[in-house]
Amino acid sequence: GQQVMQIPQYQHVQEGEDFTTYCNSSTTLSNIQWYKQRPGGHPVFLIQLVKSGEVKKQKRLTFQFGEAKKNSSLHITATQTTDVGTYFCAAPTSGTYKYIFGTGTRLKVLA
Amino acid sequence: SQTIHQWPATLVQPVGSPLSLECTVEGTSNPNLYWYRQAAGRGLQLLFYSVGIGQISSEVPQNLSASRPQDRQFILSSKKLLLSDSGFYLCAWSHLGQGRADTQYFGPGTRLTVL
Repeated sequence: GQQVMQIPQYQHVQEGEDFTTYCNSSTTLSNIQWYKQRPGGHPVFLIQLVKSGEVKKQKRLTFQFGEAKKNSSLHITATQTTDVGTYFCAAPTSGTYKYIFGTGTRLKVLA
Repeated sequence: SQTIHQWPATLVQPVGSPLSLECTVEGTSNPNLYWYRQAAGRGLQLLFYSVGIGQISSEVPQNLSASRPQDRQFILSSKKLLLSDSGFYLCAWSHLGQGRADTQYFGPGTRLTVL
């Protein structure tokens, strides 16, 4: 079945350093979404990418969708303590209303 | 604007006891509804989803069940809880798409501990 893997599983960075998480699917995707879950909270939608090679930016966050639409990345420039949390990618299963969430990358920012 | 509610926020239950978690959505109609479970420090496991009243799709065979008695109400139940049912239960909704997935909006979750 379809699988969505994320690496790394954990990342500790010093405040001000950059951070990147990668999401890889075993199948070609129609689109991919990214969510952030703060410690003790619930996932919150960040962005959706649809087009092959698409790049979107939200302030210090840069999202990319691979040319083959099987992978994606989230890059945070100059991390801040407010970036702490777990970042999930989510991929839809073709022709259904189901989502498969990636395994998540837990980011810890050291002040 | 749309709002999603879940209750209770936390729950401690003994093994073998029943369970009922409720989720309601306001400000939208005909939403897709989802139940997820998240073990401590882990990812999201899809348990059930529903595209309409009385329509439930089960993703993982287990001792849990779901029902959708009203358009914007989604209930997760169990007749007898197991220790392995402990976790963070999240309800989510999305717009009813054309056979495709859409942005999901999550509720605040219920943290269940089975002792």
